[in-house]
Amino acid sequence: EVQLVESGGGSVQPGGSLRLSCAVSGFTFSSYWMSWVRQAPGKGLEWVASIKQDGSEKSYLDSMRGRFTISRDNAKNSLYLQMNSLRAEDSAVYYCARSRGYYENWGQGTLVTVPS
Amino acid sequence: EIVLTQSPGTLSLSPGERATLSCRASQSVSSDYLAWYQQKPGQAPKLLIYGASSRATGIPDRFSGSGSGTDFTLTISRLEPEDFAVYYCQQYGGSPRTFGQGTKVEVK
Repeated sequence: EVQLVESGGGSVQPGGSLRLSCAVSGFTFSSYWMSWVRQAPGKGLEWVASIKQDGSEKSYLDSMRGRFTISRDNAKNSLYLQMNSLRAEDSAVYYCARSRGYYENWGQGTLVTVPS
Repeated sequence: EIVLTQSPGTLSLSPGERATLSCRASQSVSSDYLAWYQQKPGQAPKLLIYGASSRATGIPDRFSGSGSGTDFTLTISRLEPEDFAVYYCQQYGGSPRTFGQGTKVEVK
């Protein structure tokens, strides 16, 4: 069974940092692109970042580039999102997802709150 | 950036009725790289359709996707109680990947 479990969310002051993690099981992690997608409270879905199987390619939504860093550890079957210079508008549930362009499997999400 | 516009915003229907959801793109979606997701309150989205018309694993055949270019449709042939949810379309033919704003299917 495919499982993705996010952790690391919480409340952080504006300008602060958080590191999200996603532990995966049930599939060969190193064979798939992986992504982060977020959803602000009561709002729609927004792609954040994606990373290639070996970590050699990364892409970001423009508003996150330079503040967020996606990475992975294939030996640990884990995906990460380092978030710096957080703003109130970054408050959202952050999901990790197995990617094929579309998002085939999702974790349950981890909530990040940045008070205004 | 490809902007996806979903309509209607809310669809009020009864169980057993047919639901037709629309997703219109601001420019042609290459290779019909269009997906649909279902999201229930407090849950993660769930992939229903990819490639505009291919059902994901385990998705019942009452869900079907159609369309090409800029106009896409998700049809639920007969609504079951568990189908009342929010539905999102997403394109993966261009960068960045973008989602529509969602259509809520609610009980009439």
